Amino acid sequence: DAGITQSPRHKVTETGTPVTLRCHQTENHRYMYWYRQDPGHGLRLIHYSYGVKDTDKGEVSDGYSVSRSKTEDFLLTLESATSSQTSVYFCATNHPPDQETQYFGPGTRLLVL
Amino acid sequence: AQSVSQHNHHVILSEAASLELGCNYSYGGTVNLFWYVQYPGQHLQLLLKYFSGDPLVKGIKGFEAEFIKSKFSFNLRKPSVQWSDTAEYFCAVNRNNNDMRFGAGTRLTVKP
Repeated sequence: DAGITQSPRHKVTETGTPVTLRCHQTENHRYMYWYRQDPGHGLRLIHYSYGVKDTDKGEVSDGYSVSRSKTEDFLLTLESATSSQTSVYFCATNHPPDQETQYFGPGTRLLVL
Repeated sequence: AQSVSQHNHHVILSEAASLELGCNYSYGGTVNLFWYVQYPGQHLQLLLKYFSGDPLVKGIKGFEAEFIKSKFSFNLRKPSVQWSDTAEYFCAVNRNNNDMRFGAGTRLTVKP
């Protein structure tokens, strides 16, 4: 939909290991978002970015950091993964001129053992 | 706490039955409203959205939703469901670019 790819698509890691998830978009959108999806919670915003090197926290940012050094890439890092971070992670962007609607990538399924 | 509520966790219908999924939100002021659908193993796709104007909005695949401001509701409807509508449906409310809140989702199972 929005030219968004996410990598990896699946990952299994161990508690305490650092993990980085990548979101890549090809359409030069300014806003990018990271969400996690958990049963019974819908999607919850972790962090978002409104431009290169401009990021801010969302609803559930503890334990996560992000970076955006290029318009097309938005990285989500779990500094020291915990089992509670087992989830499906979705990246999203907005589509100008409609800045209110978000379009989602295919997701990354992360299992922390 | 301000939130988005979807009252039905799992709905099971037979093909050709009518569908209505409830969504209520508790935010004041101007909001933008969305319904997304997630087919098994796939990402979220936009079904429809409401920003302003006619409170009855039509989306893709025969879905529609009605915004009732006095009830803080944005219910999703479809007059006749198909087996292919089996999916999870999420209501979302956006108060600005960076504050999109989702309901917990409603899983719809349509029996052939």
